[in-house]
Amino acid sequence: GAVVSQHPSRVICKSGTSVKIECRSLDFQATTMFWYRQFPKQSLMLMATSNEGSKATYEQGVEKDKFLINHASLTLSTLTVTSAHPEDSSFYICSARVLGQLNTEAFFGQGTRLTVV
Amino acid sequence: GQQLNQSPQSMFIQEGEDVSMNCTSSSIFNTWLWYKQEPGEGPVLLIALYKAGELTSNGRLTAQFGITRKDSFLNISASIPSDVGIYFCAGQGSGGYQKVTFGTGTKLQVIP
Repeated sequence: GAVVSQHPSRVICKSGTSVKIECRSLDFQATTMFWYRQFPKQSLMLMATSNEGSKATYEQGVEKDKFLINHASLTLSTLTVTSAHPEDSSFYICSARVLGQLNTEAFFGQGTRLTVV
Repeated sequence: GQQLNQSPQSMFIQEGEDVSMNCTSSSIFNTWLWYKQEPGEGPVLLIALYKAGELTSNGRLTAQFGITRKDSFLNISASIPSDVGIYFCAGQGSGGYQKVTFGTGTKLQVIP
């Protein structure tokens, strides 16, 4: 199957700083990538849909100024958590779908564990 | 956002037993997906279902796409210790982005 890679896998940052998480499709091109957040013992909640070359679409309740998404190429999307606070500590996961194919499942990255101290 | 209702929430079974879990939604989906997630990892796709009524197997795993397109089930036969993990169903919509909505998860623990 297609490979999606996230970096970093773990990050610890101080409260008030910003953190950037990268999501790359390694062996395919992805017009659309999705960003999820997962709190302990909970399901994955979609935060936003990232589209190459255009603005991201955010789910209700997700602050777009706090979670900046950039999808600069067909293989890379980034999520920046700005002015991070302890309540932003979570597991962030991206997924990507193969460009130009219908009815294809999305492949997931391995996730990024963010801890804000 | 919308969530799919998955049951049971958790289960303990003896090694060798069969397992069944299901997922229901108030909305229709064009695609049903089943994922397994292990601690600290992203979800890994187990089975994808694209057609109402479809029954698909992947080794000891079998999943079905409900006729109403609002439900799906996953069966695991002859469970083994490495089946331990959290299983998520997910529904994929139609339309431009085909967003994937996840179920609440079923935590499976296998007793050797």
